[in-house]
Amino acid sequence: GENVEQHPSTLSVQEGDSAVIKCTYSDSASNYFPWYKQELGKRPQLIIDIRSNVGEKKDQRIAVTLNKTAKHFSLHITETQPEDSAVYFCAAVSGTYKYIFGTGTRLKVLA
Amino acid sequence: EPEVTQTPSHQVTQMGQEVILRCVPISNHLYFYWYRQILGQKVEFLVSFYNNEISEKSEIFDDQFSVERPDGSNFTLKIRSTKLEDSAMYFCASFRGGKGYGYTFGSGTRLTVV
Repeated sequence: GENVEQHPSTLSVQEGDSAVIKCTYSDSASNYFPWYKQELGKRPQLIIDIRSNVGEKKDQRIAVTLNKTAKHFSLHITETQPEDSAVYFCAAVSGTYKYIFGTGTRLKVLA
Repeated sequence: EPEVTQTPSHQVTQMGQEVILRCVPISNHLYFYWYRQILGQKVEFLVSFYNNEISEKSEIFDDQFSVERPDGSNFTLKIRSTKLEDSAMYFCASFRGGKGYGYTFGSGTRLTVV
């Protein structure tokens, strides 16, 4: 069935370093890949997304890359700051608009 | 910025009782969803709703669950006879449809079944 794997489950980086979170999806019909940031006890918030006709997208310190052939997509955060600490979820979405979420990555940015 | 509103924020209920979780999606959105998140785990799809009917549901969404959009604005999730394992954060989400937009999630209802 549909599945999204996400790695790593936890990630600690020093402030100012980069963080990379990777996801792999199984449904080849997936064509939209959002990333959500969830702070403790709060709702997931969309931070960046990418469509299947694009290989890379950047928004300030955040970038996402997509390799459709390999069914991989990744989130890159540069110059990390303590406020980037949160749980990050990737998702893969097909034409039915159903989101299949990854298992989450707890990012801790150490000051 | 438009928001998806959920009430209550926290509900405690006795096992076996019925609960209704309420959501007000964004007004021009066409697709509505319920997801749940057990503490420390990933967000799981429950059900999608479009054109006044369920378009898809997961294995979790069994006969104990139902959804309604009774008045064109509210979108409710009912759990008929709650079990301990129903304890989770329940998120409503809405989506306009078409290209270029992600879901907007509500702030969630934390359901605790005791």
